Amino acid sequence: EAGVAQSPRYKIIEKRQSVAFWCNPISGHATLYWYQQILGQGPKLLIQFQNNGVVDDSQLPKDRFSAERLKGVDSTLKIQPAKLEDSAVYLCASSSPLDLRGYEQYFGPGTRLTVT
Amino acid sequence: AQSVAQPEDQVNVAEGNPLTVKCTYSVSGNPYLFWYVQYPNRGLQFLLKYITGDNLVKGSYGFEAEFNKSQTSFHLKKPSALVSDSALYFCAVRDHSALNFGKGTSLLVTP
Repeated sequence: EAGVAQSPRYKIIEKRQSVAFWCNPISGHATLYWYQQILGQGPKLLIQFQNNGVVDDSQLPKDRFSAERLKGVDSTLKIQPAKLEDSAVYLCASSSPLDLRGYEQYFGPGTRLTVT
Repeated sequence: AQSVAQPEDQVNVAEGNPLTVKCTYSVSGNPYLFWYVQYPNRGLQFLLKYITGDNLVKGSYGFEAEFNKSQTSFHLKKPSALVSDSALYFCAVRDHSALNFGKGTSLLVTP
């Protein structure tokens, strides 16, 4: 089966600009996650969707970050305006509805964002 | 909150030797523990998990991990390291609906 797809793979923007990332999870996976991985750190959850509803966005900086999953399939994560500290890899992951507690998450290749 | 700690930033081992990457956890209740590996410019790949049952968990690519409740540890092991095992390894614990990751340990296997 196809894995989690993300685009773009790399993005360089100037601070105060906006940027959007796209994720297409594994077919049939109801749960979708966005993680932020800053260099030298482990991934940190930003937001979790179950179908098209938000389950957890407690660590999402809502003044500048937004995410949506309108049809319960693919998702977009947006940053506006970007700050230097947003430079990171943004990882999308998904998990299967057959695994109700989401024990295994499948990760995409990530989008590496550099803010200058 | 559930958390894990990886005390080593880097582990160096010679090819053919056994390897251990350390992880300790701090949880309330029963832990759900995971190991993931990350190769350069690639996403995280699942290696193995401990949910319940046997303390020795076997996973992908010949890796295994031992759950030790008394020491609150979940160390990743492999009997004979390969150069291709060189990568970044993350321990993680399930916290409510997502994963909390450690900071990662870079494994370098030299020929």
